[in-house]
Amino acid sequence: EVQLLESGGTLVQPGGSLRLSCAASGFTFSNYAMSWVRQAPGKGLEWVSSISVRVGSSSYADSVKGRFSITRDNSNNTLFLQMNSLRAEDTAIYFCARSSDPVDYWGQGTLVTVSS
Amino acid sequence: QSVLTQPPSVSGAPGQRVTISCTGNNSNIGAGYDVHWYQQLPGTAPKLLIYDNRNRPSGVPDRFSGSKSGTSASLAITGLQAEDEADYYCQSYDSSLSGVVFGGGTKLTVL
Repeated sequence: EVQLLESGGTLVQPGGSLRLSCAASGFTFSNYAMSWVRQAPGKGLEWVSSISVRVGSSSYADSVKGRFSITRDNSNNTLFLQMNSLRAEDTAIYFCARSSDPVDYWGQGTLVTVSS
Repeated sequence: QSVLTQPPSVSGAPGQRVTISCTGNNSNIGAGYDVHWYQQLPGTAPKLLIYDNRNRPSGVPDRFSGSKSGTSASLAITGLQAEDEADYYCQSYDSSLSGVVFGGGTKLTVL
């Protein structure tokens, strides 16, 4: 059974940093591209970033480019999202997702709140 | 403002048929990129409902179907049931943005 378990979400002040993790199991992690998708409270889905099976090939939404960094550890089946210079508009549930186009499996999400 | 445009809400009575549209442009749907649909039940993570315009993952009832034409796509739900009440999102790829794009979502209410 495919499982994606996010962690790391919390309350952080504007301008702060946070690192999200996603532990994957139930499939060969190194064979799949992975993504982060977020959902602000009461709003729709927004793609954030994707990383290919090859470490170093990644893409970002314009809204986070230059502030967020996606990485993966294929030896430990873990996906990461490093978030810097956080803004109030980054407040959202962040979903870890297998693949990107389409996303075929989703985690349950972790809540990031950016507020003073 | 989402790149892909969906109606904010649709509704129908049990047993009826409803459709949800997803309108893009020549940088995404019109450029030939596939459209996918997701269902998000209240308080849960999204679930893949239709992929590559018209294909259903294993376990998705055939009451759900997808189509694509030109710069638009549609999701049809027949034999509406109470448990279909959810938010539905379309998704594609946009070459001008070099990234994945979602529609704004459509809330389906079963009357």
